[in-house]
Amino acid sequence: DAGVIQSPRHEVTEMGQEVTLRCKPISGHNSLFWYRQTMMRGLELLIYFNNNVPIDDSGMPEDRFSAKMPNASFSTLKIQPSEPRDSAVYFCASRTNRGGYGYTFGSGTRLTVV
Amino acid sequence: AQRVTQPEKLLSVFKGAPVELKCNYSYSGSPELFWYVQYSRQRLQLLLRHISRESIKGFTADLNKGETSFHLKKPFAQEEDSAMYYCALSGTSGGSNYKLTFGKGTLLTVNP
Repeated sequence: DAGVIQSPRHEVTEMGQEVTLRCKPISGHNSLFWYRQTMMRGLELLIYFNNNVPIDDSGMPEDRFSAKMPNASFSTLKIQPSEPRDSAVYFCASRTNRGGYGYTFGSGTRLTVV
Repeated sequence: AQRVTQPEKLLSVFKGAPVELKCNYSYSGSPELFWYVQYSRQRLQLLLRHISRESIKGFTADLNKGETSFHLKKPFAQEEDSAMYYCALSGTSGGSNYKLTFGKGTLLTVNP
């Protein structure tokens, strides 16, 4: 298995533009998570899906952020419009619902909004 | 509520010295505990999970339910151990308990 695949690896965009981050979880994993990592705040859970259904989106900062999981093999995190304070590394992770196993993380998308 | 506390943001040791990264947790049931490591600008990687009681790269961690702790230890630190270490907790029933709650992380620096 290729692991959790995120694209793009790096994204530089201008303030006000729409940004879409993509994630392909490990096949067979039931849960998918989007995290944001910054120096100031550390790792923040943004949203979490279980069997493609959003379970907990309390970490989504504001309405500019939205996430979808149309099927078991694909998820997107969209920021519209983007702002400089959204600059961070965004990680996607997936896990099986069987107990005893942790997450597998993707390589992350480093977003810079100028 | 789930909570993970890593009291040290920074930890610096010399090569060959023992190292202990502290982790305390709060959870009303029986948790699953994990340690993740993140090398510079890379993805988080699973280092240890308490259920397997394994030793990875010389690191071990024992779950102490009485003290609600899951400290990470290594008897002789190596320079390549320098990284950010995150302790994480998961519940053991369905629904939102399957999410991992992370501590703030401890940045370990091993000096030559």
